[in-house]
Amino acid sequence: EPEVTQTPSHQVTQMGQEVILRCVPISNHLYFYWYRQILGQKVEFLVSFYNNEISEKSEIFDDQFSVERPDGSNFTLKIRSTKLEDSAMYFCASSMDRGAEKLFFGSGTQLSVL
Amino acid sequence: DAKTTQPPSMDCAEGRAANLPCNHSTISGNEYVYWYRQIHSQGPQYIIHGLKNNETNEMASLIITEDRKSSTLILPHATLRDTAVYYCIVSGAGSYQLTFGKGTKLSVIP
Repeated sequence: EPEVTQTPSHQVTQMGQEVILRCVPISNHLYFYWYRQILGQKVEFLVSFYNNEISEKSEIFDDQFSVERPDGSNFTLKIRSTKLEDSAMYFCASSMDRGAEKLFFGSGTQLSVL
Repeated sequence: DAKTTQPPSMDCAEGRAANLPCNHSTISGNEYVYWYRQIHSQGPQYIIHGLKNNETNEMASLIITEDRKSSTLILPHATLRDTAVYYCIVSGAGSYQLTFGKGTKLSVIP
């Protein structure tokens, strides 16, 4: 079965540094998403992306976050200046159609900000 | 999106059916009921969804009451690998985001 691939699985960074989390969505999917889960808390929506632009974003997704689809296969989340509270598991997801139906999630990148 | 209420935890004996309830009394006519699960700290996994009719796939069955104010996810023969947190989510067709609650932590016991 096709899957969403995320790299790296773990990322450790110093506060104030920039990080880029990478994702390879399923090849024929059109919609792309980032979610995050702080340890022990709920899974939270960050942003959705379609047709090379952000279609929806949450309050969490402020100016220090950005997303990009630099080529036909990768989808990235950049955090410009990391804070301690950005420490979380970040999940990439993709879907064929708009909506909550059948989102396919990756296994996540655990980001630790020191 | 409508709010959902789920029990925080449930146990189920291995091989038995697991019936996970969800209340969504404020659901509106164009909102679907979705079920996802999260095994340990992996990414959430889609299970099933429905609007008003009961649905079945290779993983589970979804029973939605006639008034659509509640639903039940049924895992017909639970295995140890079904131990996970199960999320019931209500969302309109075409919505971009899923709003996860705390879900139900299902423990399948040998």
